[in-house]
Amino acid sequence: QKEVEQNSGPLSVPEGAIASLNCTYSDRVSQSFFWYRQYSGKSPELIMSIYSNGDKEDGRFTAQLNKASQYVSLLIRDSQPSDSATYLCAVTQANNDMRFGAGTRLTVKP
Amino acid sequence: ETGVTQSPTHLIKTRGQQVTLRCSSQSGHNTVSWYQQALGQGPQFIFQYYREEENGRGNFPPRFSGLQFPNYSSELNVNALELDDSALYLCASSLPPISSGHSYEQYFGPGTRLTVT
Repeated sequence: QKEVEQNSGPLSVPEGAIASLNCTYSDRVSQSFFWYRQYSGKSPELIMSIYSNGDKEDGRFTAQLNKASQYVSLLIRDSQPSDSATYLCAVTQANNDMRFGAGTRLTVKP
Repeated sequence: ETGVTQSPTHLIKTRGQQVTLRCSSQSGHNTVSWYQQALGQGPQFIFQYYREEENGRGNFPPRFSGLQFPNYSSELNVNALELDDSALYLCASSLPPISSGHSYEQYFGPGTRLTVT
């Protein structure tokens, strides 16, 4: 079992729709969770961090964390073509090792 | 722009050679982590440096080594390069980890694209 799992996609949504990205992790010690966006040929860009159970909103983005289910998600409201990218879920492990999922490729169609 | 810089941008090396990659952290950040990202995969943790000492290491062989300097900048050294070392090497800076499994946000530099032929 991989430590951090994401649906590889591709996920395609129409412009203006809600995109839902999911991630599960295996290490119960993990307390820090992050979502990064990566455009092709570029480095990852931090979107959000979440540390406590529940929802955290920042503009069009909402991160959701459920530690009991070992599940993290990212919702993107009013999706724009510029949101088309690969979204990486990252989880901090016990030895300061930040583990990334393989990423979900999102395409927002105009 | 995160304020994290890396050099060089691109590098081509021959199998068996050695390479040094450099990273300058964002102002105020004293912790640097290095990652390897192969095409189509997520970044893989190589190691982290804090207070000039290694503060965690992923599943990479000893030929991957690093340094951190008093100004918090860092180097990644790879000896005896192999073809599979071809990847994007990413440096990320942050504040130091809070506790086991609990860390601050990491901000990535633009990366160094290494090609080994």
